[in-house]
Order: sequence, then C-alpha cells, then structure tokens
Amino acid sequence: DQQVKQNSPSLSVQEGRISILNCDYTNSMFDYFLWYKKYPAEGPTFLISISSIKDKNEDGRFTVFLNKSAKHLSLHIVPSQPGDSAVYFCAARDSGNTPLVFGKGTRLSVIA
Amino acid sequence: NAGVTQTPKFRILKIGQSMTLQCAQDMNHNYMYWYRQDPGMGLKLIYYSVGAGITDKGEVPNGYNVSRSTTEDFPLRLELAAPSQTSVYFCASSYGGDYQETQYFGPGTRLLVL
Repeated sequence: DQQVKQNSPSLSVQEGRISILNCDYTNSMFDYFLWYKKYPAEGPTFLISISSIKDKNEDGRFTVFLNKSAKHLSLHIVPSQPGDSAVYFCAARDSGNTPLVFGKGTRLSVIA
Repeated sequence: NAGVTQTPKFRILKIGQSMTLQCAQDMNHNYMYWYRQDPGMGLKLIYYSVGAGITDKGEVPNGYNVSRSTTEDFPLRLELAAPSQTSVYFCASSYGGDYQETQYFGPGTRLLVL
C-alpha cells in the first residue's frame, strides 16, 4: 500500500513556464515532507522541504505547497529551465524514529 | 569533502554469488542508510545505522546484511544473489536522526543478477 503517491510518471513543460509536480499521501501521521531531485546516474539530491506547521515554503524558483486537509503537496518551479529536467521524488516521514517514505517519482522534461 | 562515495558503480553477478557494496562518507555523519530503487519505483530502505556498532532493519532487509565498524563506512553484503536483487542501490547519510535532517546520497551502484 503506497503511503506516498506521485500519480504522474512524467511531465513535459516549455522553458520559462511553470512546472507543477504533485504528491499525495495517506498517512495522517506524516508531518515533514521533502522533495529530492535526481539526474541520471547520480544519487538524489535534496531540493526543498516543508513542515506540517507551514502551508508554503519558498526557495528561489522552487516553492512547495502543503494542503494538510487534502493530504496533498505540490512543487512549483518558476520559471522552468532545461537544467531542471530530472526525476523528482516526494518523500515524507513522521516525527518518530521512522524512515523516509518515497514516492515513485515524476520525470520532468523542460523543453527549450 | 567527497561526500558519500559508493563502489562499484556497476556489477553483474551470477545467481548464488555474493558481493559487498561499499559506502563511505567523510562528513562525520552518525546516521547511514542503504536504499534500493527498482525501475519505476521509489526508494525503499534496506538497513540503516545510527552509529558505529548499531544497525537496524528497514522495509526490505531480506537477503542483505550490514555492519558498521567505523563512523565512515557502511558496507552492504549480499550473500546469495537472486534476480530479485537486480536494482540500483543508494547509500545515504545524515548528521543525526532528527526527522528534519537532510539525507545526502551517494551516486549509486547498479547491480544486475543473472
């Protein structure tokens, strides 16, 4: 049973436009959420996170929004750049000593 | 800092063979982790360690063993390789176990079991 779901395996966006990547979760105990970015033949790298006490966190071109009532979070990239083309993983955990739970990832392609 | 390093980058094993995937970090992190990523899937935790001499099972530990004799190294052992262990293996580390700690990942080891 998937606790973290990324229902879009892939997304294609034109350079300069907004990319919106979505993530849903089922475990109401999750209270910390992260996005990791992964290029081919490399390990995932941390991108941005959000705690459940917030509904938005911004870092440059990247903003993560959290809707706790809907158990939904999204990553917005504005403006999208070709270098953003990668697989993006959503991950979540609770405040106990439990491991991160990852989604299956969404492959973003930014077309010049 | 080299960060998290993994060797080898790629390996082909025959069914029943054994091997050790190496992982090292030079960030003086206490916590280390092993994940596997199957095609089209997310990362699943195999084992983790909260410090030298202390290890614990993750979500998918069967068929693997780990040890942590030093802070820097966290090798993963496959004793009897099976085709189901064909995957990409990532090692990660974090300074502590606080749930808001960021994990830093190595580049991965691609394993093919035939």
